[in-house]
Amino acid sequence: KNEVEQSPQNLTAQEGEFITINCSYSVGISALHWLQQHPGGGIVSLFMLSSGKKKHGRLIATINIQEKHSSLHITASHPRDSAVYICAVGLADSNYQLIWGAGTKLIIKP
Amino acid sequence: DAGVIQSPRHEVTEMGQEVTLRCKLISGHNSLFWYRQTMMRGLELLIYFNNNVPIDDSGMPEDRFSAKMPNASFSTLKIQPSEPRDSAVYFCASSENWGTQYFGPGTRLLVL
Repeated sequence: KNEVEQSPQNLTAQEGEFITINCSYSVGISALHWLQQHPGGGIVSLFMLSSGKKKHGRLIATINIQEKHSSLHITASHPRDSAVYICAVGLADSNYQLIWGAGTKLIIKP
Repeated sequence: DAGVIQSPRHEVTEMGQEVTLRCKLISGHNSLFWYRQTMMRGLELLIYFNNNVPIDDSGMPEDRFSAKMPNASFSTLKIQPSEPRDSAVYFCASSENWGTQYFGPGTRLLVL
C-alpha cells in the first residue's frame, strides 16, 4: 500500500463543475502540499498546509489530521484548470523529505 | 523575481556524453532540491542542499551523477557518462528553509 494515495486517478468534467480530488496518507506528517503540473510540464505549488483550510481564488484545500486525509476543491472549473494535481506529504521526522502521490489527471471540457 | 531558472530547457545527447544541467535559485532561498521525473517512477528526489551543503544525496542513482553548489544561488547536476535510461525531465526547486518549494521549468533530457 502506498503511503500517499490519491483518488481519482483520472477525472473528466464539464466546465463549471465543482471538482474534488482526494489525498489519503498513512504516515506522520509535518505538512501536506498540493501541486499542479500543466501539460507543458511546469510544476506549481498551490498549497502547503498542516491544519484546517486554505483558499486561493477558486481553489480550496482542506486537511483533517485525525483522519489523515486532504481534499483539493476547484469551484467553477475551467478548461485552463486541466492539469495533473499532485499531493505530497512532508514527513514528520524529516524537514525536507516529501512523499509524492501518483497524481490526479484532470480534464475540464468546455 | 524571475523564479527558479533552469538551463538548458531541452537536451538531446548521445550515450556516453557528459551532460550538465544548471539551476539558479530564487534570491533569498537557501534550500535546493534536484528531482527527476519519469513516467515509470514519477518524481524522485535526487539530492537536497541546505545553505550550499549537500544534506541528502541518497537519491543520486550512481556515481555517474554528481551535483554541486559553487555559490548560494547556483547549482549544477552533471551526468558523466550519460546513458539512455537517464532520459527524463530534471527539475530543480528552491525554498526558504523547509517552506514551499518553487520549481523551475525543468530540463527535458533525451539520451540516444
